[in-house]
Amino acid sequence: DTAVSQTPKYLVTQMGNDKSIKCEQNLGHDTMYWYKQDSKKFLKIMFSYNNKELIINETVPNRFSPKSPDKAHLNLHINSLELGDSAVYFCASSQEIRFDNSYEQYFGPGTRLTVT
Amino acid sequence: GQNIDQPTEMTATEGAIVQINCTYQTSGFNGLFWYQQHAGEAPTFLSYNVLDGLEEKGRFSSFLSRSKGYSYLLLKELQMKDSASYLCAVRVSGGSYIPTFGRGTSLIVHP
Repeated sequence: DTAVSQTPKYLVTQMGNDKSIKCEQNLGHDTMYWYKQDSKKFLKIMFSYNNKELIINETVPNRFSPKSPDKAHLNLHINSLELGDSAVYFCASSQEIRFDNSYEQYFGPGTRLTVT
Repeated sequence: GQNIDQPTEMTATEGAIVQINCTYQTSGFNGLFWYQQHAGEAPTFLSYNVLDGLEEKGRFSSFLSRSKGYSYLLLKELQMKDSASYLCAVRVSGGSYIPTFGRGTSLIVHP
């Protein structure tokens, strides 16, 4: 059984388009995340949702919007795509992370986005 | 903010031992994670340290010194499949508690 899944795995699109990436976890976790990994492999947090509430929103452009229909899903919608958005986007989930604990994050397989 | 530093790349020989260092500068330290990421794949959890000392898990061990802002991941009996990136991530208390990742160390194991 896949713990954290993402679709699509590859996404090639043109500048200016709008696209969505879907993420689902079947681990019963409370918190889900979106990360962006650039060409230099730097993994940077974009968003996190805890019980359907946004608990962090790093300095990402407002063209990016996370949407969580329920605790098991966190989708990422991107408007007006730009060349610099090309990267691998990882979804992740974990147990409640706001308190002292060692709950690790489980990552999805990633979505490789290429903007041309 | 947090400043996390790791070597960019390391090479080692199959069967050997390698130590990957991670130094960090942060306030409110609340734990350090190590993840492994093979090329084209997702990061996977290796270890977690919040107290000083060594945590051993099979061929992998992780060490933490909070006073020095220093951790290392020790890989013993290296295998070719250990060729991967190793990511150090630091969490601070207060705010979101979400770990911040370093840029990772690419380990190449050769025969």
